[in-house]
Order: sequence, then structure tokens, then C-alpha cells
Amino acid sequence: EVQLVESGGGLVQPGGSLRLSCAASGFTFSSYTMSWVRQAPGKGLEWVSDINSSGSKTYYADSVKGRFTISRDNSWNTLYLQMNSLRAEDTALYYCAKAGDMSWYDHWGQGTLVTVSS
Amino acid sequence: DIQMTQSPSSLSASVGDRVTITCRASQGVRRYLAWYQQKPGKVPSLLIYAASTLQSGVPSRFSGSGSGTDFTLTISSLQPEDVATYFCQNYNGAPLTFGGGTKVEL
Repeated sequence: EVQLVESGGGLVQPGGSLRLSCAASGFTFSSYTMSWVRQAPGKGLEWVSDINSSGSKTYYADSVKGRFTISRDNSWNTLYLQMNSLRAEDTALYYCAKAGDMSWYDHWGQGTLVTVSS
Repeated sequence: DIQMTQSPSSLSASVGDRVTITCRASQGVRRYLAWYQQKPGKVPSLLIYAASTLQSGVPSRFSGSGSGTDFTLTISSLQPEDVATYFCQNYNGAPLTFGGGTKVEL
């Protein structure tokens, strides 16, 4: 059974940093593109970032480019999102998602909540 | 960036009704279109990918169609457990984009 377990969320002041983690199990992690998708309270889904299976290619939404960095450790089956220069508008539930053969998402974690507030 | 516009933003229907949700892309996305269901308080789940391919385990009352810029998600006979918000997603290259969602109520 595929499991994705996010951690690392919390309350942070504007301008601060957080590092999210996503522990994956139940599939060959190193074979799949992985992603972060966020959902602000009461709002829709927003794609944040993708990383290919080897970690050699990364993609970002314009809203986070230059502030967020996605990475992965295929030895530890873990996905990361380093978030710097956080803003109030980054407040959201951050989901880790596994891509299928292309970038549709066939499995999602439960999410970790990031709140940016003073 | 490709914008995804869903309509309607919400709808109310009765059990057994046929429900249709549309998703329009601002540029052609070929058939690189997925649909997700998000029940209240729950994680999104994949319904359809490649515009019309049903994800394993999804009931056959769900179907998808379209290509290019215009896509449709159809629920052939609405069930109480289908109360949810439905999102389309374009994956025709980064940045990936989601529609704003369609809330389906009974």
C-alpha cells in the first residue's frame, strides 16, 4: 500500500523558513516524479513544485520560484520542500503527491499545515 | 501560463441525476487532463487521467471526455457519496494548473 506521510509544518513568522518532509513507502520511490501541492484554507488546489525521479530536474510555480527548493533522497525514500522567505499567502495545507506515468497524482499524503503569521 | 476554468462553480442535484462539469483550458493541452474528487475534510483523490482513462477502483458512473481546450466530467447517476468538490488539472508541462473547483451538493 502506498503511503505518503508529511511532516515539518507549523507556525512561522513572515520572512521565516520551514523544511517539509514526506516519507514514502509501498512503492519504488526512485522511479516516480514527486510533487508538492498546496491548498489554502477554504480554497482550491495549487501546484507548487515537481521533481523528477532522479532529482535532476525540478519545476516551480512562479509564486514560489526563488524561495522554495524541492529535493529528494532516494536512499531514504523521502521528499523535501525547503521554504524560505515565507509570506502570509504561503499559508496552506501542503500535500505531498506521487505522480503517475505523467504528472497526474495518483496518491496523496494527508498534508501538513503551514501557517505564516506574526 | 495555462488557465483552467471550471463551470459551474457549484451545483445542486438529486440522487440519480446525470451531472456534467466542464473544464476549459486557455490553450490546448491535448489530452493531458486529470480530474480529482475531494470530499469534505478529505484528501483529493484521482478519478480520471488522460482526459478519459478511469483510475483503478473508481466507479464506472464517472466518465471523462474532451481534448484540446474543452473537457467534461460526467457522473451518470449521482450518489450521496459523490458529494464533493471536483477539480480538473492540466499536466501539459510546467506550470501545472488546477481549475477552481466545482462543488457538488445534493
